[in-house]
This record gives sequence, structure tokens and C-alpha cells, in this order.
Amino acid sequence: KQEVTQIPAALSVPEGENLVLNCSFTDSAIYNLQWFRQDPGKGLTSLLLIQSSQREQTSGRLNASLDKSSGRSTLYIAASQPGDSATYLCAVAPHGSSNTGKLIFGQGTTLQVKP
Amino acid sequence: NAGVMQNPRHLVRRRGQEARLRCSPMKGHSHVYWYRQLPEEGLKFMVYLQKENIIDESGMPKERFSAEFPKEGPSILRIQQVVRGDSAAYFCASSPGLAGGPGEQYFGPGTRLTVT
Repeated sequence: KQEVTQIPAALSVPEGENLVLNCSFTDSAIYNLQWFRQDPGKGLTSLLLIQSSQREQTSGRLNASLDKSSGRSTLYIAASQPGDSATYLCAVAPHGSSNTGKLIFGQGTTLQVKP
Repeated sequence: NAGVMQNPRHLVRRRGQEARLRCSPMKGHSHVYWYRQLPEEGLKFMVYLQKENIIDESGMPKERFSAEFPKEGPSILRIQQVVRGDSAAYFCASSPGLAGGPGEQYFGPGTRLTVT
């Protein structure tokens, strides 16, 4: 059974710091991994999608890496800003007989960037 | 191109009533997923549908919950005889399809259901 874990659960940093959020998953058989951002009381915004054959994806100040064999992904945020404050969710689409594309989510890391 | 739309955004029901949640996928998307986020818990998969077909309902509670995605119109998640434990945020996501593997999922703003 696929399980997704995110560490740390919460993180507080001063503005301008570079930071890393961690995600681990128990079964390396995945189609892809997505990172999302969720603001309080809001929906999910997709940040980055990494296919299982890829090692990393970049978008602006965000860089996500994927090491499928070790079951790990990291989200790197450069030069953090107060507007980056949100909960960041990692989710994997398991590769299996059902192949439905459903996502298995971690519990999230709640980030606070202080001005 | 409008994103995934969900309505209502907030829904209050008394115990025993029915709740109907609607989801319109992004234009060109024929695959819809429903997820539930209980208070202080992560998002959990409920059901995956294509037009007129339920493909995977392994995350749906066995009783009181049903989902459909008709040929015309939005996808509907229906909860009969709601109980307080059904209070949660319900999110819908759509994707363009499975050719070559699952595509990126785009989420709607969610429906926050409160059962009193």
C-alpha cells in the first residue's frame, strides 16, 4: 500500500531564505509526482509535475527533484517571500493494475515566511 | 479557459438531509476525480469517473455516497442522510486523460460541507 510522508509538518523561516521541503513514498512504482500549494480555506494549485522518467522540474523560484528508487522528492524554494506562506502538498499517482491516476497525498508541510 | 468549477462553495445541511455537490471539469477534460479533506487530515481519494462511467470507487464509503458523471452536465457527488462526520472539504479534479499515463490533475476550489 502506497504511503506518502512529508517532513517537516511545519516550517517557519525569515524572508529571503532558501528552503527544502521533503516528501517520501513507500512504493517506487509511480506514474508521476505532483507538488501542490494550498492556501487556507482554498483549493489546490498545481506547482510542478514530475513524470516517473524525469529527475527534476523547475518553475521560477521552485525546483522539484525526484529519486524514484529511494522513494524521495524534494521541493526547493529559492529566496522565499511572505507570499510563499501556505501548505505544500506532495502527491503520487501509483502505477499498478488499476492505473486510474488517483493521487495519494502526504499530510503537507505548512510554511510560514516571516517578513 | 475556465478552470475546474465547483458549486456550491459552501453548503450547510442538517443531519439526515441530502447534499449534492457539483463539479464542472476544465474544457476538454473527460476524467474527473473526487477527494475529501476531513478536518486536520490529508486529502483522500474517493472516486474516479469518466463520462457515464465509474472507473474506480475504491475510496467511497459503502453507504450513502454516490457519484455520477453524465454525458451532459457536471459530475455530481451525492451524500444521502448526512451525518456530522461528513463535514469536510470536498475537492474535484479533472485531467485530460490517460494516454501514455495519468495526466496532471487540476483542482477546483472545493465545496465545504457543514452538517449541523
